[in-house]
Amino acid sequence: DAKTTQPTSMDCAEGRAANLPCNHSTISGNEYVYWYRQIHSQGPQYIIHGLKNNETNEMASLIITEDRKSSTLILPHATLRDTAVYYCIVRVSGGSQGNLIFGKGTKLSVKP
Amino acid sequence: DTGVSQDPRHKITKRGQNVTFRCDPISEHNRLYWYRQTLGQGPEFLTYFQNEAQLEKSRLLSDRFSAERPKGSFSTLEIQRTEQGDSAMYLCASSLAGHETQYFGPGTRLLVL
Repeated sequence: DAKTTQPTSMDCAEGRAANLPCNHSTISGNEYVYWYRQIHSQGPQYIIHGLKNNETNEMASLIITEDRKSSTLILPHATLRDTAVYYCIVRVSGGSQGNLIFGKGTKLSVKP
Repeated sequence: DTGVSQDPRHKITKRGQNVTFRCDPISEHNRLYWYRQTLGQGPEFLTYFQNEAQLEKSRLLSDRFSAERPKGSFSTLEIQRTEQGDSAMYLCASSLAGHETQYFGPGTRLLVL
């Protein structure tokens, strides 16, 4: 089972920030938080990941709480093309573990 | 385009037939993964390779499924005696060992009639 909890769906107005929450209360000290998204009928797309510090790249920002039990993915200026299912995943980086464990994710609908 | 590619993108087959899918990973990536995704669900892990070695297999990978990566580059996933329950999107991903971000291909959508 996925080790994360996300809302099933969210709406966001175009041009506004989209804030997608994720709970991972059982996260271990060596587990990273990864975010992927999947636009309809395409393969998942990597967005960002982090361990304990906040991270930012050209796509999004990741805010991780100090106790690491939850995080928020921020899309600063959502566009219609950001409509997708967003997956929050925790996993150990490195080592022999191969797979990502996906939950059902959050379906984000960006509306004009 | 230097991303992960998959072929074919769509496959329709009749129950009982065999099908084979191909995945070409990002060229320098030594890890390759197969996932399956059914409607409304997140992707589910099937198996992964490091170079040519198959290191992990999920319980989802029944004996009708076989995956190979003979030269440590491209991989094939074969399903024998397909069943209607095999209808799904089959996704391939690759990564570089030690840098665990997985990059996914566009998927092969299989429909078994």
